[in-house]
Amino acid sequence: DSGVTQTPKHLITATGQRVTLRCSPRSGDLSVYWYQQSLDQGLQFLIQYYNGEERAKGNILERFSAQQFPDLHSELNLSSLELGDSALYFCASSGLAGPGELFFGEGSRLTVL
Amino acid sequence: GESVGLHLPTLSVQEGDNSIINCAYSNSASDYFIWYKQESGKGPQFIIDIRSNMDKRQGQRVTVLLNKTVKHLSLQIAATQPGDSAVYFCAENFGGGYNKLIFGAGTRLAVHP
Repeated sequence: DSGVTQTPKHLITATGQRVTLRCSPRSGDLSVYWYQQSLDQGLQFLIQYYNGEERAKGNILERFSAQQFPDLHSELNLSSLELGDSALYFCASSGLAGPGELFFGEGSRLTVL
Repeated sequence: GESVGLHLPTLSVQEGDNSIINCAYSNSASDYFIWYKQESGKGPQFIIDIRSNMDKRQGQRVTVLLNKTVKHLSLQIAATQPGDSAVYFCAENFGGGYNKLIFGAGTRLAVHP
């Protein structure tokens, strides 16, 4: 158990809909990261937050947004969903702002029908 | 749990043999590298890391080698066990003081008794 909690574990929705994925980092970790894992692309870095502020951005679509709240939990919002958004979404946390080990949650599997 | 179903290269080894998993990274400025193991239905799990000022680091049954000249990383697993069967990812940090890990495509390790 990494200490990172993600909900929901599974989510099925339709194209055009909006969903929110939630992540609680390990106790005391200030950095939260979101990754997308799909069949074709492996693990793709989406975005990082550190203590409530956006720190680094990857290939995150404009339809996706994220935030980190004062209690350090984070949410990833996915809107206008398309079939290609079906993937595993992982949250990871770290106690560091800079390079170091990330602790991953078990992921949220999103299926868009 | 379910596998992510990635179409990955597969390394098949006999139980007890040594395994070597290779990875080519992309950015000569990357300053930190890390290997993760992902079992079916789970999030990636840290194995070992190495910073760019080193060329070798050893852990318990694992060794990571870094060759910056050819931008190559390898993971050696000694006395491979059935529990080592998983997908292995290398990741590089693109530097700049941020923890922006970019993952490789992954290699599936299959250990046969």
